[in-house]
Amino acid sequence: DGGITQSPKYLFRKEGQNVTLSCEQNLNHDAMYWYRQDPGQGLRLIYYSQIVNDFQKGDIAEGYSVSREKKESFPLTVTSAQKNPTAFYLCASSKWTGGSLAGELFFGEGSRLTVL
Amino acid sequence: QKEVEQNSGPLSVPEGAIASLNCTYSDRGSQSFFWYRQYSGKSPELIMSIYSNGDKEDGRFTAQLNKASQYVSLLIRDSQPSDSATYLCAVNLLMYSGGGADGLTFGKGTHLIIQP
Repeated sequence: DGGITQSPKYLFRKEGQNVTLSCEQNLNHDAMYWYRQDPGQGLRLIYYSQIVNDFQKGDIAEGYSVSREKKESFPLTVTSAQKNPTAFYLCASSKWTGGSLAGELFFGEGSRLTVL
Repeated sequence: QKEVEQNSGPLSVPEGAIASLNCTYSDRGSQSFFWYRQYSGKSPELIMSIYSNGDKEDGRFTAQLNKASQYVSLLIRDSQPSDSATYLCAVNLLMYSGGGADGLTFGKGTHLIIQP
């Protein structure tokens, strides 16, 4: 079955450490996204990529980095520069064609990061 | 700054009744509107999208859009305990994204509880 796989589901990190969250999709979608969700909050866009080897900053990119070397993969690194990294991280994908309806996102199951 | 406002709730509705969820948005140029359902600890899933004024029905769900009032709502008929979740309203300036979700803004969500 097609879908988006995020790993790990739960991750604990000490302050000062970088961590990388994995996101893999087999939906053949061109566009991929990383969102952050804090308790009682909506989704905030960290980074997105519409094509391999290209990505754009979202609203809260500071302290994060991404790469898009393959269409299927869009890993997110939470660096030590991110002041409040404890959150629920969601990877999503969507089609990217001229006829694609905006906002039809497919989400992975999420990765919950806790900084100790 | 684009804003999407939702009452955080919790909204408590008896089983079998109609649940009404509301959302207002600030950018009059918005063109596409979405409702995502998110169960506790899980990722969001798209349940309804609407692009023109009026009602759109899909099973027990009806989305209503009033662009003049900048208002979108979701009605759930014959509410079931399995409908208990947080419902996220999302608004995009674009109708067709070309795939990008950078124009998509999420509300903080309304927590719905269906009482058996």
